Amino acid sequence: SAVISQKPSRDICQRGTSLTIQCQVDSQVTMMFWYRQQPGQSLTLIATANQGSEATYESGFVIDKFPISRPNLTFSTLTVSNMSPEDSSIYLCSVGGEHQPQHFGDGTRLSIL
Amino acid sequence: SQKIEQNSEALNIQEGKTATLTCNYTNYSPAYLQWYRQDPGRGPVFLLLIRENEKEKRKERLKVTFDTTLKQSLFHITASQPADSATYLCALLNYGQNFVFGPGTRLSVLP
Repeated sequence: SAVISQKPSRDICQRGTSLTIQCQVDSQVTMMFWYRQQPGQSLTLIATANQGSEATYESGFVIDKFPISRPNLTFSTLTVSNMSPEDSSIYLCSVGGEHQPQHFGDGTRLSIL
Repeated sequence: SQKIEQNSEALNIQEGKTATLTCNYTNYSPAYLQWYRQDPGRGPVFLLLIRENEKEKRKERLKVTFDTTLKQSLFHITASQPADSATYLCALLNYGQNFVFGPGTRLSVLP
């Protein structure tokens, strides 16, 4: 199965700033996914990032707040923009085919002061 | 409205017993359902997948059942060990949609 590395593993940020999270996969994959996991809660899909096309966002998430890049088949970034304390969460990327299990990175634990 | 529920937030069992976790869903027609394990500070790890036309799947000490009439999946861990302590998430894939995860059940296996 794919090995997924996320950077940074954690960060503490000031309100109003932005942070870019990187996700690197050890093999070429078509679909990459970004999730948010708020404290004590389950995973919520933010968007699907396919190489060569615009990311597809789920209801409640917008590109201005969570811009995503997917420059190649092994890499993606998620930016959390203009952060507020409500954005404190774990952000996870995953890979998987349309009908395949998903493989996750260990996430980025983000705290906003 | 669409909903996925897992039987309880936390479940404590004695080592050696069988743990049974429940995943119920409402207003979904999943093509298949998956179970994941998540340890603190780590991402979820895939355990088992079961398709809508399958009743049961097994892998070592793990067993999953899927009842589309009851809209329920059961996840069993037999001969449980303290190392099985983790949060277990069910996730379903609805036709034409992306994965949706349940809230998880935190399992503690007591020695």
